[in-house]
Amino acid sequence: DSGVTQTPKHLITATGQRVTLRCSPRSGDLSVYWYQQSLDQGLQFLIQYYNGEERAKGNILERFSAQQFPDLHSELNLSSLELGDSALYFCASSVGVQGPYEQYFGPGTRLTVT
Amino acid sequence: LAKTTQPISMDSYEGQEVNITCSHNNIATNDYITWYQQFPSQGPRFIIQGYKTKVTNEVASLFIPADRKSSTLSLPRVSLSDTAVYYCLVGGSGSARQLTFGSGTQLTVLP
Repeated sequence: DSGVTQTPKHLITATGQRVTLRCSPRSGDLSVYWYQQSLDQGLQFLIQYYNGEERAKGNILERFSAQQFPDLHSELNLSSLELGDSALYFCASSVGVQGPYEQYFGPGTRLTVT
Repeated sequence: LAKTTQPISMDSYEGQEVNITCSHNNIATNDYITWYQQFPSQGPRFIIQGYKTKVTNEVASLFIPADRKSSTLSLPRVSLSDTAVYYCLVGGSGSARQLTFGSGTQLTVLP
């Protein structure tokens, strides 16, 4: 158990819909990262937040957005869903933002868009 | 943006040492190299991290040559439970650096 929690574990929704994935980092970790893992794209970094502020952006679509709240939990919002958005979404946390901090990954949310 | 290249798959037998190499030709001066292990439908798990030369912990060693354009993860005496995908990650050294995972190497340990 990494100490990172993600909800829900599974999510099935239809194209065009909007969903919210939730992540609670390990106690004491200030950075939260979001990743998308699909069969054909591998593990893709989406975005990083540190103590409520966006710090790094990866291959995140404009239809996707994220935020980190004062209690440090984070939410990833996916809108206008397409079939290709079906994937495993992982959240990870680390203690800091500068430097190569070890990331602790959550169990993931499996999103299926039908 | 540091792009990484790894072998797609490797096979080994129990008890053998396994070396997985990652190529990262355009690694930045401040980038570190980190390796993760992932089992099916689970989040990646940290194995080891380094900047240069050699790093060793209780589960693996990481060898990084002077030019830092590649790195090699060494797993001593693998067991069946080491069958997993291994990812090489370069970056994480600054607040705005993208974190690039390699394509991953599927290691299969055979009895």
